[in-house]
Amino acid sequence: GAGVSQSPRYKVAKRGQDVALRCDPISGHVSLFWYQQALGQGPEFLTYFQNEAQLDKSGLPSDRFFAERPEGSVSTLKIQRTQQEDSAVYLCASSPGPNNEQFFGPGTRLTVL
Amino acid sequence: SQQGEEDPQALSIQEGENATMNCSYKTSINNLQWYRQNSGRGLVHLILIRSNEREKHSGRLRVTLDTSKKSSSLLITASRAADTASYFCATANDYKLSFGAGTTVTVRA
Repeated sequence: GAGVSQSPRYKVAKRGQDVALRCDPISGHVSLFWYQQALGQGPEFLTYFQNEAQLDKSGLPSDRFFAERPEGSVSTLKIQRTQQEDSAVYLCASSPGPNNEQFFGPGTRLTVL
Repeated sequence: SQQGEEDPQALSIQEGENATMNCSYKTSINNLQWYRQNSGRGLVHLILIRSNEREKHSGRLRVTLDTSKKSSSLLITASRAADTASYFCATANDYKLSFGAGTTVTVRA
């Protein structure tokens, strides 16, 4: 079946703009994760959903970052008033449960000018 | 902060040779996972090894786990040009994955 998809694949924003990144997980996957990957680094955990409940948002860098998954499937990561340091690849992953392997989407590369 | 640390940072080998990379971590884990990332692409899951397992195989991949030393290794046998990628270990304690900075592997034809 289809894997995890993310849109847009690339986003260029001017500093101060708001952006919204979308993730479509694998159908039926209960767990959904967002990660941020800086150039040359491994992904860093941002937030975790189990169905529609956001159980962990400890990795969100600031209160400008907000994530939601209102119906327990599609998720949106929103970044308000973007800053240059927000430039990174944002990866979404889903899994059948919390301790299973995670399946990653292709990521959204965000560039803030 | 990243818990896992891969070694070496970069590795260049001839096609057909074996590639070995290591991962060390600091805290207790439920499982450890290895992922591959081709340039500009998402991560592909390779192997998951649980904390009560010592070795696991998948095709040309062999992963070992030594919880007493808090370390893991990934061996790729008979490497191919298509194995050129970055390889990441990720430790899992409950649901959260903590990734290292990765090992960049280049396989020369």
